[in-house]
Amino acid sequence: DSGVTQTPKHLITATGQRVTLRCSPRSGDLSVYWYQQSLDQGLQFLIQYYNGEERAKGNILERFSAQQFPDLHSELNLSSLELGDSALYFCASSANRGETQYFGPGTRLLVL
Amino acid sequence: EDQVTQSPEALRLQEGESSSLNCSYTVSGLRGLFWYRQDPGKGPEFLFTLYSAGEEKEKERLKATLTKKESFLHITAPKPEDSATYLCAVQAQGEGGSEKLVFGKGTKLTVNP
Repeated sequence: DSGVTQTPKHLITATGQRVTLRCSPRSGDLSVYWYQQSLDQGLQFLIQYYNGEERAKGNILERFSAQQFPDLHSELNLSSLELGDSALYFCASSANRGETQYFGPGTRLLVL
Repeated sequence: EDQVTQSPEALRLQEGESSSLNCSYTVSGLRGLFWYRQDPGKGPEFLFTLYSAGEEKEKERLKATLTKKESFLHITAPKPEDSATYLCAVQAQGEGGSEKLVFGKGTKLTVNP
């Protein structure tokens, strides 16, 4: 158990819908990262937050957004969902910038 | 662009048969190289961080090494419970302050009893 929690574990929805994925980092960790894992692309970095502020963006679609709240938990919002958004979404956290990232169990999203 | 290539894509071993997994990387200034283990449907589990060429780290049957261009994960006398996908990732210095990890596609290891 890494100490990072993610909810929900599974999510099934339809195209065009919007969903919110939630992540609680390890106690005391200030950095939160979101990654997407699909069969053909492997693990891809989406976005990073540090102590409530956006720090870096990867190949995150404009339909996706995220935020980190004052209690340091983070949410990833996915809207206008397409079939190709079906994937595993992982959250990771680290104590400070550049330190080891610990991953949560992931949310499996299926868009039908 | 930072890149990580892992080989082989898949590896089947008999229990007790030692082998090595390779991770080749190109990065604009290496901050760290990370090894993770991932079981099906689960999140990556941290194994090792290596920071500079020549560094080695060990944990049970696993040993990770680092050169300026590649890293190896050596598995000595593996057991069936070592079956998993092993992921290698690099973290670059700079790049506007991002500490993102760039992952390879992994090596799927199967250890048969």
